[in-house]
Order: sequence, then C-alpha cells, then structure tokens
Amino acid sequence: QVQLQESGPGQVRPSETLSLRCAVSGGSVNTDDYYWGWIRQTPGGVLEWIGNLCSNGNKFYRPSLSSRVSLSMDTSRNQFSLSLTSVTAADTAVYFCARRGRTIYSDAFVAFDYWGQGLLVTVSS
Amino acid sequence: QSALTQPPSASGSPGQSVTISCSGTSSDVGAYDYVSWYQQHPGQAPKLIIYRLTMRPSGVPDRFSGSKSGNTASLTVSGLQAEDDAYYYCCSFADHNTLIFGGGTKLTVL
Repeated sequence: QVQLQESGPGQVRPSETLSLRCAVSGGSVNTDDYYWGWIRQTPGGVLEWIGNLCSNGNKFYRPSLSSRVSLSMDTSRNQFSLSLTSVTAADTAVYFCARRGRTIYSDAFVAFDYWGQGLLVTVSS
Repeated sequence: QSALTQPPSASGSPGQSVTISCSGTSSDVGAYDYVSWYQQHPGQAPKLIIYRLTMRPSGVPDRFSGSKSGNTASLTVSGLQAEDDAYYYCCSFADHNTLIFGGGTKLTVL
C-alpha cells in the first residue's frame, strides 16, 4: 500500500517561499510508471493542480504558477518537494501530494490514485 | 486555465440515481478521454472513483459510472446510499500536459 505524507511549515509570511516535502512509503518514486504531484485546495474548496514530476526528469506546471513554482525529487530519501516563491494570501490552502499514473501500464493512468492527508498552509504575517 | 464547470449541488433520495456534469472545452474534456472523478468527505483527501472516463479502481462499487459527450463529462451514481453524501470533483487532462479540476459538486443524499 503506497502512502504519502506531507510535511512543512503551517504558516509562511507574505513574499517568502513556501517549501513542502512529501515522503513516500510502500513504493518507489524512482519509476517511469508514475508522476508525483502537488494539488492544493483553497479555503473555498476549489482543487488546483500545481504540477507533477517524474524521476526521468519530466516536469509540468500549472501555467499561472510556472514562474513561481519548482518541483524536485530526492530518490535516495524517496521523497519529492514543492517550492513556491513570493507567496501571497491567495496561496493559503491545503496542499496535497499525490501519485499519478504516467503510462497505460500504470494503475490509474492520468489520475491521482494515492494522496497524502493534506497540510494546511496559511500565508500570514 | 479556467476550472471545469460543475453544478454546485445535486441531490437524490436513497436508491435513486443522480448524474453530475463536468463541462470543459475542446482543449481538455473534448479533446481527451482522460477524465477522472474524485469523491471527498469533509476533512479527508479526495478519493479516486473513476479514471480514463469510465474505469473504476479496485474497490469502487459499480454504482459509480462515467461517460462523455462532446465537451461534457458526466458521473452517474446509481442506487444512492447514505455514504455517497460527499463532494465530487472532475479532473481532465488538457493541452500542454496540464490538468484541470472542476469546481466541485456537493451531493446530498436526502
């Protein structure tokens, strides 16, 4: 059973950088069969895809965030990370990490089948 | 990249069927059969219930089914049960290898 767990600060000051990590257990991030991604849920309940990456180097980002967001992976620690710069109150949300099938041989091709429990991040001074 | 359009609410009595729509464009729902649906109960992470338009992950009841016509995808929940009372979100693959979620629909089992 694949499990994902987000970690990071619950509060970030405006204009600073939000940095989150997602630890994966029960499976390896070092695989071409899956993307590893981030999704956030605003206080109003809207889900927003942020981006996803694969261990082969492929990365894709939400266009409206692409100038501020960066994803990275540490295969030795079996985890991946999100960095979002110059945050504002609009970035306040619950941040989820999740696994997404990348090939037709994956479970749940182009869908997020395993999710972390989510981490509330508030942007406030 | 605007959110896909879902009705804010839907409802039905136990045993009835309910269909939730998800409207997009020719650059997302209309262009690809990679629509997924998620169920979310309060305080929990979303749970995948439909992927690739019509496929169900292991363990998801066949009461849940998906379809598409043109730029609109739909989720049908048949034989409504009390535990189906939740939020439902659609998600579509889109041009330039991006993903777009719908705004979410609150399904109330009366």
